[in-house]
Amino acid sequence: RKEVEQDPGPFNVPEGATVAFNCTYSNSASQSFFWYRQDCRKEPKLLMSVYSSGNEDGRFTAQLNRASQYISLLIRDSKLSDSATYLCVVLSGSARQLTFGSGTQLTVLP
Amino acid sequence: SAVISQKPSRDICQRGTSLTIQCQVDSQVTMMFWYRQQPGQSLTLIATANQGSEATYESGFVIDKFPISRPNLTFSTLTVSNMSPEDSSIYLCSVEDRGTGGEKLFFGSGTQLSVL
Repeated sequence: RKEVEQDPGPFNVPEGATVAFNCTYSNSASQSFFWYRQDCRKEPKLLMSVYSSGNEDGRFTAQLNRASQYISLLIRDSKLSDSATYLCVVLSGSARQLTFGSGTQLTVLP
Repeated sequence: SAVISQKPSRDICQRGTSLTIQCQVDSQVTMMFWYRQQPGQSLTLIATANQGSEATYESGFVIDKFPISRPNLTFSTLTVSNMSPEDSSIYLCSVEDRGTGGEKLFFGSGTQLSVL
């Protein structure tokens, strides 16, 4: 089993749609969780950190479920500019190593 | 947030040659990280570069193939040595920022390497 698993997609959704991505992680002692966004041929950029209480930033909502070991990202009212690959990132271990999921590709269609 | 300048942004190299990638940060950072992202894959950590000591390499990566320098707290280089087509990838440097709001990882713009 991979340490961090994501549905690779692609997710093709119309503008204005709501879309959700899930990510599961295998290390129950993982400490921190993040969603990154990566545009084609560009570097990943931090979208948001994920907290146990859940957090929201505009149209984006991130949730953490430690019992089931998954995190989620919800995008409401999708925009064309949301088209990108979304990477789930988990921080684990005493060495505080970051593990990246393979990414979920989202395309928002006009 | 840290600003990272990485160069070159891309290069096309011949088999057997070496390429050195540079990464400059606008603030002093203890650790810098080098990642590789192969086509269609996610990021894989190559090594952690600490100032004043040898880099720490992850399983599957060795110093002879990927020598790293870290002469000061704002600069690092990664060399891809004796390249083969399998080394074609995006190489990214990154730094950790443990400021307010918790720790975050910031990336350079990446070096897209193609080996012929």
